[in-house]
Amino acid sequence: DTGVSQDPRHKITKRGQNVTFRCDPISEHNRLYWYRQTLGQGPEFLTYFQNEAQLEKSRLLSDRFSAERPKGSFSTLEIQRTEQGDSAMYLCASSPTGTSGGYQETQYFGPGTRLLVL
Amino acid sequence: AQKVTQAQTEISVVEKEDVTLDCVYETRDTTYYLFWYKQPPSGELVFLIRRNSFDEQNEISGRYSWNFQKSTSSFNFTITASQVVDSAVYFCALSGGPGGATNKLIFGTGTLLAVQP
Repeated sequence: DTGVSQDPRHKITKRGQNVTFRCDPISEHNRLYWYRQTLGQGPEFLTYFQNEAQLEKSRLLSDRFSAERPKGSFSTLEIQRTEQGDSAMYLCASSPTGTSGGYQETQYFGPGTRLLVL
Repeated sequence: AQKVTQAQTEISVVEKEDVTLDCVYETRDTTYYLFWYKQPPSGELVFLIRRNSFDEQNEISGRYSWNFQKSTSSFNFTITASQVVDSAVYFCALSGGPGGATNKLIFGTGTLLAVQP
């Protein structure tokens, strides 16, 4: 059983550069989530997809951030014109759709991409 | 607004001691879900348990047990006979909303557990 995978695991970039992260969810999961975690804090929700549709975005997701999930499989998260404040761990999670309205399935997380902006 | 509070920032115990990690939550939803995740030094969040708001039965899984009390809005986690491998950051999380699912998790700030040999 393959879990959620993320690539790259680590990224160092200079301020102002663009970066892109990839997430491959568990194969039968049609929901995919992005979270950001800074040092000493819990993960914070960024956005979520059901299949290819982006259904919810956090106010944390500024205009410099864009996420896609073409064909409802893997997802990419791009940060344009990176800033030092973007340094964080970016976590991806996936879950199945609930079997009935309102049922919250468990989210399974990948290993994360650790971003350092110099 | 939904909120999760983990007041214990760090806990240090000696191997074989029992330890309880506290979690207090706030929500106005009548249907919600509570979770515990473990984050070892490698960084990957590992799912431990999910509990919905209608199920207040305590649960035991090996050395792990969970005490859910709606009256005090708490969902505490106890590790019995702790081991060095239990050393990690533990997060409590909440989801809820109209119909019971907003599809996002609200995490606490985590409790760092250090188990000394």
